[in-house]
Amino acid sequence: NAGVTQTPKFRILKIGQSMTLQCTQDMNHNYMYWYRQDPGMGLKLIYYSVGAGITDKGEVPNGYNVSRSTTEDFPLRLELAAPSQTSVYFCASSPRQGNTGELFFGEGSRLTVL
Amino acid sequence: GENVEQHPSTLSVQEGDSAVIKCTYSDSASNYFPWYKQELGKRPQLIIDIRSNVGEKKDQRIAVTLNKTAKHFSLHITETQPEDSAVYFCAASWDNQGGKLIFGQGTELSVKP
Repeated sequence: NAGVTQTPKFRILKIGQSMTLQCTQDMNHNYMYWYRQDPGMGLKLIYYSVGAGITDKGEVPNGYNVSRSTTEDFPLRLELAAPSQTSVYFCASSPRQGNTGELFFGEGSRLTVL
Repeated sequence: GENVEQHPSTLSVQEGDSAVIKCTYSDSASNYFPWYKQELGKRPQLIIDIRSNVGEKKDQRIAVTLNKTAKHFSLHITETQPEDSAVYFCAASWDNQGGKLIFGQGTELSVKP
């Protein structure tokens, strides 16, 4: 199993550009999440999904969009990138069953908006 | 919505000492409280979790305690080692199996040899 795979690992955007961060998992997990991590600020939930076709906002959804057309994929779309979106983005998945609610994180995507 | 506060933001201990990190949460409906460890440049990884029907849980040198009345929970690391140096995050969720996890701000633990 590859686990949770995110691409790209690094990206530099100009203000106003758009891009999609890709996330795929091969563990057949129902739950998937997008978090952003700013220095000293912990992990902030952007969007999450409890299954294919279902998404919901987290703590900081403004400026982002998501879709969940399959169990495996959960892309995060940034429209009109702004410097405030400079961050490290983590995708995660969870089986939501059994005795654990463990989140399995991808390696992260470092995004810089200039 | 849920809000999780974590203290201290940085913690430095000597090897062999104990370390304690504390978190408080705001939503009394929260019932799942995990702790994640993130080494420099790496992804966060679960180290221990506790549910609201349990007051304490131990796993070798780490333990977590939960006080539902006061709405706070703590991570205890005994006999610290240099490899314990990392950022530790607490989190809370109303969903007993994970769901919408809200994280604290993180604690950077440094264990000096």
